[in-house]
Amino acid sequence: DIVMTQSPDSLAVSLGERATVNCKSSQNILYSSNNKNYLAWYQQRPGQPPRLLIYWASTRESGVPDRFSGSGSGTDFTLTISSLQAEDVAVYYCQQYYTPPYTFGQGTKLEIQ
Amino acid sequence: EVQLVESGGGLVHPGGSLRLSCSTSGFTFSTYALTWVRQAPGKGLEWVSSVTHSGDRTYYAASVTGRFTISRDTSKNTLHLQMNSLRAEDTAVYFCAKEWQYQGLWGFFDLWGQGTLVTVSS
Repeated sequence: DIVMTQSPDSLAVSLGERATVNCKSSQNILYSSNNKNYLAWYQQRPGQPPRLLIYWASTRESGVPDRFSGSGSGTDFTLTISSLQAEDVAVYYCQQYYTPPYTFGQGTKLEIQ
Repeated sequence: EVQLVESGGGLVHPGGSLRLSCSTSGFTFSTYALTWVRQAPGKGLEWVSSVTHSGDRTYYAASVTGRFTISRDTSKNTLHLQMNSLRAEDTAVYFCAKEWQYQGLWGFFDLWGQGTLVTVSS
């Protein structure tokens, strides 16, 4: 199975500041035939189901604010929130869909400092 | 409005069975793959099982293979998860989730239900 490891486990950032979450896969999840990274990011607010933010490592889902961006390739990926808003308090998960079993990172809890 | 609504959770003894349902609306049921993902209390997300849009292929996590069965009822626009031989470690909120792409099975999910809690305890 592909193991997804996120860092840090928790993060406190001031409102308006940048927040960065890292995700590392135990093997390459870049599919060479289409040059796509099979990685998604989700946001889970307290008491809510997950919400898809980013897929193909850097494509923002419809309706997601442009302060959210994804980057990286191969085995190392980053989710960046450019200017933290109060509603961004949540746990963030990366997920690989390169091959079943589809696996998630352990989550990064983002709080306001 | 596109919606997924899970039901069927509850308290069950170890070794028991439970059948979860996910009622869907707002999209053409037969054209999207569907998935179950679970979340143990206070823990992260764990993919459980997926079924293709046509129902011809199913996939399971190793932890549930041989005990859980995913199925879909096109006549009722409903996804099911039959769970047998339940263990304490199956205790979790079970979410159903819709595949991102029409007729695809990429493995990421653009819509999730609110979840239903399954508790396995004596």
